[in-house]
Amino acid sequence: AQSVTQLGSHVSVSEGALVLLRCNYSSSVPPYLFWYVQYPNQGLQLLLKYTSAATLVKGINGFEAEFKKSETSFHLTKPSAHMSDAAEYFCAVSEARYGQNFVFGPGTRLSVLP
Amino acid sequence: GAVVSQHPSRVICKSGTSVKIECRSLDFQATTMFWYRQFPKQSLMLMATSNEGSKATYEQGVEKDKFLINHASLTLSTLTVTSAHPEDSSFYICSAPSNNEQFFGPGTRLTVL
Repeated sequence: AQSVTQLGSHVSVSEGALVLLRCNYSSSVPPYLFWYVQYPNQGLQLLLKYTSAATLVKGINGFEAEFKKSETSFHLTKPSAHMSDAAEYFCAVSEARYGQNFVFGPGTRLSVLP
Repeated sequence: GAVVSQHPSRVICKSGTSVKIECRSLDFQATTMFWYRQFPKQSLMLMATSNEGSKATYEQGVEKDKFLINHASLTLSTLTVTSAHPEDSSFYICSAPSNNEQFFGPGTRLTVL
């Protein structure tokens, strides 16, 4: 069985500050890991994904995440927050490379303060 | 990227009525689509996998007779919430795979009075 935990249901940062959203996973098979962003009343948009290639994955909008097997983590970072980054962020794990049958984490709401 | 649409975006219905939600892949074909439910301030939970030409596969705990899924064509899957009750009020999101990526629809907010 697979599961995902996201530490911190709500994270606030100042504009220009580092963004760090935490994700830990549990999987009995080599996992495929994803980060999605959701704006209010909208669907999910893929930020980035880890599919067993490079452990440091770069995504859209300046986000990146590092897969650390020893820590079972896939934390999302961005060097400098922008107001437009305020949204809900979901970490997800899948046994399938292309994301079928996702197990989503509970989500982290990111607020960016001026 | 590929586009997935949902209709309606928002629906309000009375308790006991049925509501149909459509999920369309606009510029690609999808033999499989996925339906998720998201309660307020919670994560998405996979409800079922919609398969074109065959029966849908439901996740444990999801009532197949209450949530009817029909994958009518390679670009359309429908979710019908039958005899809706207030506890069915939720945000329903579908997704479909294209070119090794899942694309999500914008969601349908269902409110049952």
